[in-house]
Amino acid sequence: DTEVTQTPKHLVMGMTNKKSLKCEQHMGHRAMYWYKQKAKKPPELMFVYSYEKLSINESVPSRFSPECPNSSLLNLHLHALQPEDSALYLCASSQVPGDEQYFGPGTRLTVT
Amino acid sequence: GEDVEQSLFLSVREGDSSVINCTYTDSSSTYLYWYKQEPGAGLQLLTYIFSNMDMKQDQRLTVLLNKKDKHLSLRIADTQTGDSAIYFCAESGDYGQNFVFGPGTRLSVLP
Repeated sequence: DTEVTQTPKHLVMGMTNKKSLKCEQHMGHRAMYWYKQKAKKPPELMFVYSYEKLSINESVPSRFSPECPNSSLLNLHLHALQPEDSALYLCASSQVPGDEQYFGPGTRLTVT
Repeated sequence: GEDVEQSLFLSVREGDSSVINCTYTDSSSTYLYWYKQEPGAGLQLLTYIFSNMDMKQDQRLTVLLNKKDKHLSLRIADTQTGDSAIYFCAESGDYGQNFVFGPGTRLSVLP
């Protein structure tokens, strides 16, 4: 299994909603990542989890809250988002931090 | 900080070779990658090269690395319409903290 899965594929939420994005991999990878990608731009790193511990937070606003319940799962909890947070949110994993990263298909988020 | 640059657009005719170029600034880069992104999709890892290599070939793909000039290229032989996508160059040092993407090159393959 060489796949990273993400749910949901699409999400529309209001500015007062609370929602969560989910990411899963069963490759035994010990590093997992959240990226944000705006249209026609490269992905921007948000968070890195290394061995289920948050190792990098790229100055992301607190309305984004990551969680790594176990080595296969990565969540991104969303609360009180702004319209400018609308983007494609990509999850990735790698064997260990620094190795090649494998990406999921992304969740396209629209904040209204 | 680290910077990765690519030209934004490339058009080639079907059957020709495509060469996508990338320059980077971080001399401590350990790995250099090429990713492909089709519309509305995630990123697909095409290939990667360690910084102590100067060439890697994988079927239609050839990666060349000039470490002195910090220049990376991806050559796609016999380009097909299915190769139309955005190609991102990326670099990382150890531990993933310096994983940086270029702006992406949009490859258009003309019939």
